[in-house]
Amino acid sequence: GENVEQHPSTLSVQEGDSAVIKCTYSDSASNYFPWYKQELGKRPQLIIDIRSNVGEKKDQRIAVTLNKTAKHFSLHITETQPEDSAVYFCAAGSGGYQKVTFGTGTKLQVIP
Amino acid sequence: DAGVTQSPTHLIKTRGQQVTLRCSPISGHKSVSWYQQVLGQGPQFIFQYYEKEERGRGNFPDRFSARQFPNYSSELNVNALLLGDSALYLCASSLQGGLAGEQYFGPGTRLTVT
Repeated sequence: GENVEQHPSTLSVQEGDSAVIKCTYSDSASNYFPWYKQELGKRPQLIIDIRSNVGEKKDQRIAVTLNKTAKHFSLHITETQPEDSAVYFCAAGSGGYQKVTFGTGTKLQVIP
Repeated sequence: DAGVTQSPTHLIKTRGQQVTLRCSPISGHKSVSWYQQVLGQGPQFIFQYYEKEERGRGNFPDRFSARQFPNYSSELNVNALLLGDSALYLCASSLQGGLAGEQYFGPGTRLTVT
């Protein structure tokens, strides 16, 4: 089955700096790569996703890049703000149903 | 529009007991997926149901079962509870059965097995 590794497990940045979270996946059939933000005690919320036919996608301060050959994808958050503090999960999915395999999460702390 | 709802919010059970968790998807969504999230880890896929049929199953024992009703709501059943079943159980709904659409998560049911 699919295996998703995520690094780092914790990340502290100063407000205004950039944050980068990296993930690798094992199943070459994976073709959908969502990123979720989960605040303490709350549900995961999709912040951005990318499909395997696209190399990069950007939404305001958030961008995701995908390297299919190397089987890795990354989340980039620019101009970080304290409200960006949360746990971020990458995930990988394939096939005709909604199964996605999640990474182990990155706890991001933005220091004011 | 109401989001995904789950009940109950919290549940305490004893080892060996059985539990039923419930999920109502967003109106118009026909797909429901169940995930288990152990503290400090990412969600793990348990089941997906689309149009009342099981479309996918994760690596969970047969003690876990689910079904989807004609109104697209869903129940997750866990028999013979173990301490290791203690987790947050998340339900997610999507418009279609495939990967074409975003999954919307419910608030979860926190299950504690003692």
